[in-house]
Amino acid sequence: DAGITQSPRHKVTETGTPVTLRCHQTENHRYMYWYRQDPGHGLRLIHYSYGVKDTDKGEVSDGYSVSRSKTEDFLLTLESATSSQTSVYFCAISESVIQGGYGYTFGSGTRLTVV
Amino acid sequence: AQSVTQLGSHVSVSEGALVLLRCNYSSSVPPYLFWYVQYPNQGLQLLLKYTSAATLVKGINGFEAEFKKSETSFHLTKPSAHMSDAAEYFCAVSPYGGATNKLIFGTGTLLAVQP
Repeated sequence: DAGITQSPRHKVTETGTPVTLRCHQTENHRYMYWYRQDPGHGLRLIHYSYGVKDTDKGEVSDGYSVSRSKTEDFLLTLESATSSQTSVYFCAISESVIQGGYGYTFGSGTRLTVV
Repeated sequence: AQSVTQLGSHVSVSEGALVLLRCNYSSSVPPYLFWYVQYPNQGLQLLLKYTSAATLVKGINGFEAEFKKSETSFHLTKPSAHMSDAAEYFCAVSPYGGATNKLIFGTGTLLAVQP
């Protein structure tokens, strides 16, 4: 999607290996989010960031960590990949909450398979 | 805690027929409400949003939704379905004036349009 890029788009990895997914934005938005999408569960929030070096946990954060050292980049790391982390991962960005109600702009997703 | 419930994980309509996708929300504070659409192998796109202005909200591609506080509902409608409307649709809620602008998503409704 324009202004937000996820990499890689597809990845197959082995159980127990660390994996890092990258989200890059060119919109200078403050808020960034990582979701996972699984059939029957919709989108569930993993971690989010409200500024450089300011991050917090979402509802399914176990086994994941994040970092945001620059406004434009938000990294999601699976510390030791498990088969239950096979999913499609989406990054999203949003504008200042003061303006409120703008919703998100989503990336195109990363399809991760853990074998 | 906030949540949304989407009734019907699969909805099938004939081309030209009315589309009705149901969403009920739970929120202890006035909410922002959103509908997103996801086409195969793509990220989510914003269809429309309710931000406490007009209760009838018009979105892209001929979709609209009505906020009904008494029914805690935000159903999505389109008078006449088109083949290109086949996609998955997600309802989402965010607290009005929330500190982090987080969105909580429903589990999605897959819309099929029959010729």
